[in-house]
Amino acid sequence: GAVVSQHPSWVICKSGTSVKIECRSLDFQATTMFWYRQFPKQSLMLMATSNEGSKATYEQGVEKDKFLINHASLTLSTLTVTSAHPEDSSFYICSARVGQTPGEQYFGPGTRLTVT
Amino acid sequence: AQKVTQAQTEISVVEKEDVTLDCVYETRDTTYYLFWYKQPPSGELVFLIRRNSFDEQNEISGRYSWNFQKSTSSFNFTITASQVVDSAVYFCALSAGTGANNLFFGTGTRLTVIP
Repeated sequence: GAVVSQHPSWVICKSGTSVKIECRSLDFQATTMFWYRQFPKQSLMLMATSNEGSKATYEQGVEKDKFLINHASLTLSTLTVTSAHPEDSSFYICSARVGQTPGEQYFGPGTRLTVT
Repeated sequence: AQKVTQAQTEISVVEKEDVTLDCVYETRDTTYYLFWYKQPPSGELVFLIRRNSFDEQNEISGRYSWNFQKSTSSFNFTITASQVVDSAVYFCALSAGTGANNLFFGTGTRLTVIP
């Protein structure tokens, strides 16, 4: 149980275009999902917390107008990178909160974004 | 503020050697959770263990063992008889405060097991 999927697993796009990444909880409902970004050989940095039916909470320094997050249902959250630039190239990982234990999250396989 | 320090950036060991990955954490909360995750080259994070702040009992799971010491704010991870498949980046993470959701990750330790 507690499987989280992401789609696509990798994507290459041109600078200036927008890219949407989907995060789905496959066998459970997730009221809270998280989006992380990981640059090569670096740690995971939380970008935002996505709550079903409400606006996402962004971490300091993350542009909410650039990284649009929508959590329209209990099993789907999307991250849209708008007007992507090469510096947005990164590994984006989503996770979903399971149960009530603080910090208990199951992670998706990640999406590798390359902006050319 | 919460902070996790993994001082070892990269470690290389020869297969069958034991290796310990260090993790030091900082938090002012008395209730917190500590985690270890494995990230193989594929990128997907694999959950290894969760430990709450009220349980200092060490844990062993096969070749893996964890040593939690509140006195030194450490939560170290030991792999005995390492194998090539253990090669990965290992992250220590902290979640603190009642009802807290956020995970604070350390910078990770890249372990390479040489056959």
